[in-house]
Amino acid sequence: GQQVMQIPQYQHVQEGEDFTTYCNSSTTLSNIQWYKQRPGGHPVFLIQLVKSGEVKKQKRLTFQFGEAKKNSSLHITATQTTDVGTYFCAGGRGNQFYFGTGTSLTVIP
Amino acid sequence: DSGVTQTPKHLITATGQRVTLRCSPRSGDLSVYWYQQSLDQGLQFLIQYYNGEERAKGNILERFSAQQFPDLHSELNLSSLELGDSALYFCASSVTGGASTDTQYFGPGTRLTVL
Repeated sequence: GQQVMQIPQYQHVQEGEDFTTYCNSSTTLSNIQWYKQRPGGHPVFLIQLVKSGEVKKQKRLTFQFGEAKKNSSLHITATQTTDVGTYFCAGGRGNQFYFGTGTSLTVIP
Repeated sequence: DSGVTQTPKHLITATGQRVTLRCSPRSGDLSVYWYQQSLDQGLQFLIQYYNGEERAKGNILERFSAQQFPDLHSELNLSSLELGDSALYFCASSVTGGASTDTQYFGPGTRLTVL
């Protein structure tokens, strides 16, 4: 069945270091969405990528959709303590979203 | 605040019992999704409703059922509860739900504890 895996599962970084999480699907996706869930909170939509090879930026966050539309990455430059949380990708295919397993980011001040 | 409301916020019950979780979508959203999030786990998609009709089904147990009412609010019924059903249950809503490109807006969740 459809699977969306994310690596790493956990990441601890010093404040100011960069961070990247990777999302991989076993099948081609129509689009990819990224969500952030703060500790104790609910997932909040960050961005959507639709086109093959698409790259989008939001301040220190860079999102990329692979050429084959099977993988995606989220890169955060110079992490801050406000970046703490779990980042989920969600691959769209047909009428369903397939959420990735999530990457939990801890930023050490 | 996403505009999606969920009640109750917390629920503590015993094994074998039945509970109902309630979700009101954002104003104007026609689609409702239910997810289960266990401790340190990802989001497990359970079921989606669009304008009162079931649209997609995920890993939902037979002991669980859901429905969406004419006013578009939704209820998730969990019966014959087991210890392993303890989790955070999220409801999300989207405008159409007809395609996977919709942005989903999540509610604050209901934390269910089965003792």
